[in-house]
Amino acid sequence: DARVTQTPRDKVTEMGQEVTMRCQPILGHNTVFWYRQTMMQGLELLAYFRNRAPLDDSGMPKDRFSAEMPDATLATLKIQPSEPRDSAVYFCASGLGGGSDTQYFGPGTRLTVL
Amino acid sequence: AQSVTQPDIHITVSEGASLELRCNYSYGATPYLFWYVQSPGQGLQLLLKYFSGDTLVQGIKGFEAEFKRSQSSFNLRKPSVHWSDAAEYFCAVGAGDSNTGKLIFGQGTTLQVKP
Repeated sequence: DARVTQTPRDKVTEMGQEVTMRCQPILGHNTVFWYRQTMMQGLELLAYFRNRAPLDDSGMPKDRFSAEMPDATLATLKIQPSEPRDSAVYFCASGLGGGSDTQYFGPGTRLTVL
Repeated sequence: AQSVTQPDIHITVSEGASLELRCNYSYGATPYLFWYVQSPGQGLQLLLKYFSGDTLVQGIKGFEAEFKRSQSSFNLRKPSVHWSDAAEYFCAVGAGDSNTGKLIFGQGTTLQVKP
């Protein structure tokens, strides 16, 4: 049963520290999405990639967030420096990228910045 | 710009009762529409989707949804709710140049099921 995996599942860190979240998309999927979920804002799209190239990262705070796909099996989301307002659940999803395509979500990384 | 509205933030139904969750969208052309479910501590899982053809769509776990263009709605229904259906439900619309697969999500509706 193919699944999107995310690590770590939980992360507690102090303000100012670097945070790296990792995602392994389903093998064969060529599109990867990063979302952030908070009570106040709901689900926000941060960035997405097609064939490892960034298509849109307009949802990300550029000064502290960065997203990359070093290879087809790994997507990373980094926050440096982290701030308390970054506390949220971060989801990765993968798919085949068509308009009607299903996005398959990972279990998320719960980030707490103290 | 595309948008999705889920008017009900929280709904409580009794087990065995019928359920309807509302979703309204704003989109200029024929939209791609989705319903996802999120159980506590989990990621989102697709329940069903509409992109063409029959406007009544069947999904997993006994759910169905009906696309009504005249009302810009895509409401989710289930004839008899089970306690395990308690979760958060998200409606989404395919956004912009739809070939990207990008989605705009509603704010979600939390379903509570009373025994």
